[in-house]
Amino acid sequence: DTAVSQTPKYLVTQMGNDKSIKCEQNLGHDTMYWYKQDSKKFLKIMFSYNNKELIINETVPNRFSPKSPDKAHLNLHINSLELGDSAVYFCASSQHKQGGGGYTFGSGTRLTVV
Amino acid sequence: AQKVTQAQTEISVVEKEDVTLDCVYETRDTTYYLFWYKQPPSGELVFLIRRNSFDEQNEISGRYSWNFQKSTSSFNFTITASQVVDSAVYFCALSDRSGSARQLTFGSGTQLTVLP
Repeated sequence: DTAVSQTPKYLVTQMGNDKSIKCEQNLGHDTMYWYKQDSKKFLKIMFSYNNKELIINETVPNRFSPKSPDKAHLNLHINSLELGDSAVYFCASSQHKQGGGGYTFGSGTRLTVV
Repeated sequence: AQKVTQAQTEISVVEKEDVTLDCVYETRDTTYYLFWYKQPPSGELVFLIRRNSFDEQNEISGRYSWNFQKSTSSFNFTITASQVVDSAVYFCALSDRSGSARQLTFGSGTQLTVLP
C-alpha cells in the first residue's frame, strides 16, 4: 500500500487553465504539506495543514488554494495557470506532535504549463 | 529563521572513491531534527536518515555514514566506495519550530555524479 499517493503523476496543461492535484495518506498522520520543486531542484514549502487547519501558508500566489476535506487528504487547486507554475509538486505527511518524527513524501506531480 | 546550506552544488567522483557531502544549518530552536534525502533521476525523494538535536552520535549504515557536530552546526554525509547507482541529488533538511509550526526546510541540494 502506498503511504502517500498523489495523482496525477504528470499533468500537461495550457496557460490559463485551472487544475487540481490530489494527495492522500494512509499513515494516520495529522499534518500534511505541499512542497514545490523548481527547475533548479530547490524544494520550498507552500502549505501545511494540521487536522484540516491551515498552519503554514508561505508566500504563494493566491491562485494556489489548498483544500483539506479530512486529515488524510490535502488537495491543491491552481487557477489561471502560468508558465512559471511548471514544477514538480510534492505532497508529504508527518505526525505533528512528534515533531521531527519523519516526513513521508509522495512520488511527486510534474506539472508542465504550455 | 532556519536555514540549511549545501555549499557543494555538484560533485563528480570516480567509482570506488569516497565522497563527503557537506551540510551546515542554522536554527534558534533547541529541539530540532536533521535529515538527508536522496533524489535519484526517477524523481522520488528517498529518506536516508533522521537525527535529533540531542543525539550527536555518528551513524553508519552500510556504505553511508553521517557526522553530526552541534559545535559547528554541521551534519555531513559520507559515501564510502561510491557506486554509479549513488548518482543522485542529495538534500539535507532541518525540521524545527519556525513561527507557528514545525516545518521541514531543505538545502539547495548537491548533485552527485559517480563515473564508472
